[in-house]
Amino acid sequence: AQTVTQSQPEMSVQEAETVTLSCTYDTSESDYYLFWYKQPPSRQMILVIRQEAYKQQNATENRFSVNFQKAAKSFSLKISDSQLGDAAMYFCALTNSNSGYALNFGKGTSLLVTP
Amino acid sequence: EAQVTQNPRYLITVTGKKLTVTCSQNMNHEYMSWYRQDPGLGLRQIYYSMNVEATDKGDVPEGYKVSRKEKRNFPLILESPSPNQTSLYFCASRARSGTGGSEGKNIQYFGAGTRLSVL
Repeated sequence: AQTVTQSQPEMSVQEAETVTLSCTYDTSESDYYLFWYKQPPSRQMILVIRQEAYKQQNATENRFSVNFQKAAKSFSLKISDSQLGDAAMYFCALTNSNSGYALNFGKGTSLLVTP
Repeated sequence: EAQVTQNPRYLITVTGKKLTVTCSQNMNHEYMSWYRQDPGLGLRQIYYSMNVEATDKGDVPEGYKVSRKEKRNFPLILESPSPNQTSLYFCASRARSGTGGSEGKNIQYFGAGTRLSVL
């Protein structure tokens, strides 16, 4: 069974500062994919960033980047130059072919951005 | 515009009254799935479908049914809803692995969600 753990139920960051959200996971598969999804108050699920396990290079999307530590099974999300619009629930998720490509989600981290 | 459309967005019903939540995608995706989101639990998969006429149970299938008669549609059916099915429901779709280019691989696109309350 695959598991995804987000140990920070809530985080807070000041506007323009940097924040890191933690995620650890467990899987016996060697080929898998990791994601961070953002869920703003509208409840829409928005893909933030994606990482293939076979790639050593950390994924980056504008102000969002990940620190993928495969041996440690860690997949943290760094948000640089935080903006008020970044306030949302963030979910870490894992998928692979042997799980029927189901997304296994963590329980989420609520990010508050203060002016 | 590429999208996954769920209807209705909000629904209040009573215990035992059959209901269907529709889901449609216009991206010609083979894979579709349903998730429910509950506070403190994240999202959990209910059912998924790898292609037309191919459905399978996810982690929490009890009390739900699905069908996949057409590629674009994947309705979620609650034959006899109960209060413990009060939740936020998401439909998602994904291109078949290996298609859509490396950038589109294994990305699931979500609908806007359906907030269901069963009284």
